[in-house]
Amino acid sequence: QSALTQPASVSGSPGQSITISCTGTSSDIGDYNYVSWYQQHPGKAPKLIIYDVGLRPSGVSNRFSGSKSGNTASLTISGLQTEDEADYYCISYTSSVTAVVFGGGTKLTVL
Amino acid sequence: QLQLQESGPGLVKPSETLSLTCTVSGASIVSSNYYWGWIRQPPGKGLEWIGSMSYTANINYNPSLKSRITISVDTSGNQFFLRLSSVTAEDTAVYYCARIKTIYWGAKGTAWIDPWGPGTLVTVSS
Repeated sequence: QSALTQPASVSGSPGQSITISCTGTSSDIGDYNYVSWYQQHPGKAPKLIIYDVGLRPSGVSNRFSGSKSGNTASLTISGLQTEDEADYYCISYTSSVTAVVFGGGTKLTVL
Repeated sequence: QLQLQESGPGLVKPSETLSLTCTVSGASIVSSNYYWGWIRQPPGKGLEWIGSMSYTANINYNPSLKSRITISVDTSGNQFFLRLSSVTAEDTAVYYCARIKTIYWGAKGTAWIDPWGPGTLVTVSS
């Protein structure tokens, strides 16, 4: 069982917006702004798309945005495109001994 | 452009030791703001943290794997390594090496992970 809780799957139609949640605790997401999000296409390595809760690395589309409220972080993808179909993972710093916790991943299907 | 590449045997027998190398190009492994680490993904499953190390040999291991893991760094060769002992079929996974940005200088806490190597599939089977 993953330390951060994500929905197993979400879906949307092209052009729509979707949001993927990532729920932790006050030991990780709630108390720290070190949440990052990763996109993984089948057979490929994860790619960083959001860091420090809501910042985008250079080259990542502005259709991807991140936010946080309390112990839950969220990834929003606007203007869904077929190439957004992928698995998405959240990761957070934690004050526990591992200093990092992972979400279980969410499969996004673009209908 | 920073790139990482995993290498090592794709097949390991049960009870033996899995050994992987990550070669870093485009930047030096000597940096106080980064750790260098390993993450794995069993077929069809999610990501699992294995562990990481700074160039000064500070380590951060997954407690569930700690007794079997050794991560080391070769600063002269710009490489780092993973050894996982006493493997079983449950260790079958794609293994990724990656650069880990720490929350502040010298800390072990993970802020974000980027870039990742392309990954290498290691199968544990006799």
